[in-house]
Amino acid sequence: AQSVTQLDSQVPVFEEAPVELRCNYSSSVSVYLFWYVQYPNQGLQLLLKYLSGSTLVKGINGFEAEFNKSQTSFHLRKPSVHISDTAEYFCAVSDRSGNTGKLIFGQGTTLQVKP
Amino acid sequence: DVKVTQSSRYLVKRTGEKVFLECVQDMDHENMFWYRQDPGLGLRLIYFSYDVKMKEKGDIPEGYSVSREKKERFSLILESASTNQTSMYLCASSPTFEAFFGQGTRLTVV
Repeated sequence: AQSVTQLDSQVPVFEEAPVELRCNYSSSVSVYLFWYVQYPNQGLQLLLKYLSGSTLVKGINGFEAEFNKSQTSFHLRKPSVHISDTAEYFCAVSDRSGNTGKLIFGQGTTLQVKP
Repeated sequence: DVKVTQSSRYLVKRTGEKVFLECVQDMDHENMFWYRQDPGLGLRLIYFSYDVKMKEKGDIPEGYSVSREKKERFSLILESASTNQTSMYLCASSPTFEAFFGQGTRLTVV
């Protein structure tokens, strides 16, 4: 069985400051890793994904994430946030062998960017 | 761009009503999903379908059923709506490992 833990439910940060949203996962099989963003009253939009290769993954809107296999983590970072980054962020995993797109999600982290 | 369209953004239904949530995707994806989103719980899988007329239970299927008569359409059915089914419902489709989401339907059961 797989599970995903997002270590912070809310992260307040000032505009132009750096931010890190933490994600740890547990799985007995190899997984793909994803970060999604949800703006208010919207669906989920893919920020970035780790499938294989380089452990540092770059996504849209200046976000990046690093896959650490030994720590089973996939933390999301941005060096300088904007007000428009205020949203809810979800970390997710899927089983490589299943190849169906079925995702296990974390609980979500609300990023609140203050002026 | 992949487009996943959910038929309603907001719905208000009465306890005991039969409720249909419809989802259509335009990219010929094999796999489609229904998730439920609640604060502090993230998204939880209700049902998924990997082909027409094929379905599999997710983590929280109780009180729900699904229908997939055509490849592009996946319906979620609440047989007898209850107040604890008030939630945001998200549909997704996927060709393989990456999922694409609709805008969500916020259902309130009164």
